[in-house]
Amino acid sequence: LAKTTQPISMDSYEGQEVNITCSHNNIATNDYITWYQQFPSQGPRFIIQGYKTKVTNEVASLFIPADRKSSTLSLPRVSLSDTAVYYCLVATDTGFQKLVFGTGTRLLVSP
Amino acid sequence: DTGVSQNPRHKITKRGQNVTFRCDPISEHNRLYWYRQTLGQGPEFLTYFQNEAQLEKSRLLSDRFSAERPKGSFSTLEIQRTEQGDSAMYLCASSLGVANEKLFFGSGTQLSVL
Repeated sequence: LAKTTQPISMDSYEGQEVNITCSHNNIATNDYITWYQQFPSQGPRFIIQGYKTKVTNEVASLFIPADRKSSTLSLPRVSLSDTAVYYCLVATDTGFQKLVFGTGTRLLVSP
Repeated sequence: DTGVSQNPRHKITKRGQNVTFRCDPISEHNRLYWYRQTLGQGPEFLTYFQNEAQLEKSRLLSDRFSAERPKGSFSTLEIQRTEQGDSAMYLCASSLGVANEKLFFGSGTQLSVL
């Protein structure tokens, strides 16, 4: 499974756009890029998944360049409730999703 | 969709005791996963069920750990002769069983071994 590298922590203010970049230099052809969000004392929650170019849903956007060696999670106009840990994962579904979580990025949103 | 339910939410036990956790997945999900998470770290994969069959186990799952999913619905994770190093959040997740799917996690069981 491809290893990912992302910043340990980030700070932002309410209303700002936050971009969290993840590098995955060894990503394989069949790998997808997935982001999960985790609040304290809760399990991770799926945010978004993509293979290439741009994916957008009601929560976030995911930008993936052509070489797919990195990806950027974009959170528009963050609020205090977006304070959480964000995990970037790369996985191939070899029959099941054996997700390998790193330490994630701790995002702190301040007033 | 009532989500993945885990019980108990918290468990405090003494070293050497046995503990059992329960996970009730989303009803139509045939895949069920157990993960373990320690403070400041991401979740680590422990084991995976496809219906009632346990198809993969991590090396993290020592012989003191056993997981079951007897009828392909709820699952239990038992830890025998607990050690202080077993203290962690134990997370259960379930999924539909399709390619590149998303996992739905429960809120976990926080185990403290004294």
